Amino acid sequence: GAVVSQHPSWVICKSGTSVKIECRSLDFQATTMFWYRQFPKQSLMLMATSNEGSKATYEQGVEKDKFLINHASLTLSTLTVTSAHPEDSSFYICSARDTLAGDTDTQYFGPGTRLTVL
Amino acid sequence: GQNIDQPTEMTATEGAIVQINCTYQTSGFNGLFWYQQHAGEAPTFLSYNVLDGLEEKGRFSSFLSRSKGYSYLLLKELQMKDSASYLCAALNSNYQLIWGAGTKLIIKP
Repeated sequence: GAVVSQHPSWVICKSGTSVKIECRSLDFQATTMFWYRQFPKQSLMLMATSNEGSKATYEQGVEKDKFLINHASLTLSTLTVTSAHPEDSSFYICSARDTLAGDTDTQYFGPGTRLTVL
Repeated sequence: GQNIDQPTEMTATEGAIVQINCTYQTSGFNGLFWYQQHAGEAPTFLSYNVLDGLEEKGRFSSFLSRSKGYSYLLLKELQMKDSASYLCAALNSNYQLIWGAGTKLIIKP
């Protein structure tokens, strides 16, 4: 089955530093990947749609200069939280669509990255 | 290994009841989530179970049996708008989410 990994699983950083989170599709190619943020027991909030080889599309209210997304290959997208602050502490989840699959709606989700900013 | 199993697709009739099953194997367990996802939209939170038993929220109920590694989502009085994918996800001991592939629910009039 399609597997999506994220690295790191959890990270603690100081306020003002930048943190990079990787999202990889392990056994399929993903032209499109999604980055979500989740607060406890709440719905996933879509932050941005990452398209391989082009600029990401950010949802309203998400600062593109703060949450930098790079989708340089068909199996890797990265989210960099720049100048992180305690309010950025959250669970970040990525998902990916299998480019070659017939079902274009199915997303495969990563295990999430827990970010704590001190 | 860790994995979640749920049916790929189910079909039900408007007004009826449907039960979507989910079995899980994880390294440790810190709860099980159910999400609803309409095509092109972000998943929306439906339920979170960490203790055994049934939790009811309106037309939707979720059940968990930790000893059996089993959960189900029960949808009553089905409406056409309930047509969506339903995702089961378990939180392991490292607080990582292990996701099922989703069950596509098709509601027919």
